[in-house]
Amino acid sequence: AQKVTQAQTEISVVEKEDVTLDCVYETRDTTYYLFWYKQPPSGELVFLIRRNSFDEQNEISGRYSWNFQKSTSSFNFTITASQVVDSAVYFCALSEAGDGNKLVFGAGTILRVKS
Amino acid sequence: NAGVTQTPKFRVLKTGQSMTLLCAQDMNHEYMYWYRQDPGMGLRLIHYSVGEGTTAKGEVPDGYNVSRLKKQNFLLGLESAAPSQTSVYFCASSYSMTSGSYEQYFGPGTRLTVT
Repeated sequence: AQKVTQAQTEISVVEKEDVTLDCVYETRDTTYYLFWYKQPPSGELVFLIRRNSFDEQNEISGRYSWNFQKSTSSFNFTITASQVVDSAVYFCALSEAGDGNKLVFGAGTILRVKS
Repeated sequence: NAGVTQTPKFRVLKTGQSMTLLCAQDMNHEYMYWYRQDPGMGLRLIHYSVGEGTTAKGEVPDGYNVSRLKKQNFLLGLESAAPSQTSVYFCASSYSMTSGSYEQYFGPGTRLTVT
């Protein structure tokens, strides 16, 4: 069975600090996809990244970076030089290939960035 | 493009009442989904559809029914609402991929309260 664990319920940082959000997943499939979504206070869900299980290269997009390690079943998300606008709930999710694209979400991590 | 839209945005029901939530997408996506979001639990899949005229159960289908009569619309019905169905409901859609998984695009959500 698929499972996604985000052990950090809530994180508070001061602006300009770096912060890492942890995501650990479980799946029996060899082909799977991992996602991160952001949910700002306004409530909508914003897609951030998709990564397939065959691509372990780290990815950087501006202040955001993702570290995918199959050996530890982790897909962690780092925000460098955090800003108040980064305050949101962040969800990690998993989808197995050919399974209707169904997503299994983690419980989410609330990130509060204080000025 | 409006993307994914949901109607209504808010609703209050009394126990035992019925209602239908409407989801519409204008991106010609094959796949559509209904999730519910509860505090501390992330998003959980209720039902999904991989094409017009087809539906399937997700993780928490009890108490809900769905229909996909047109490709662009996905309806979620509550026949006899219960307080446990108080939640925020999100509709999503995605492209189809037989051996992969695309990101899902989410609607703005419907906040439902059952008293």
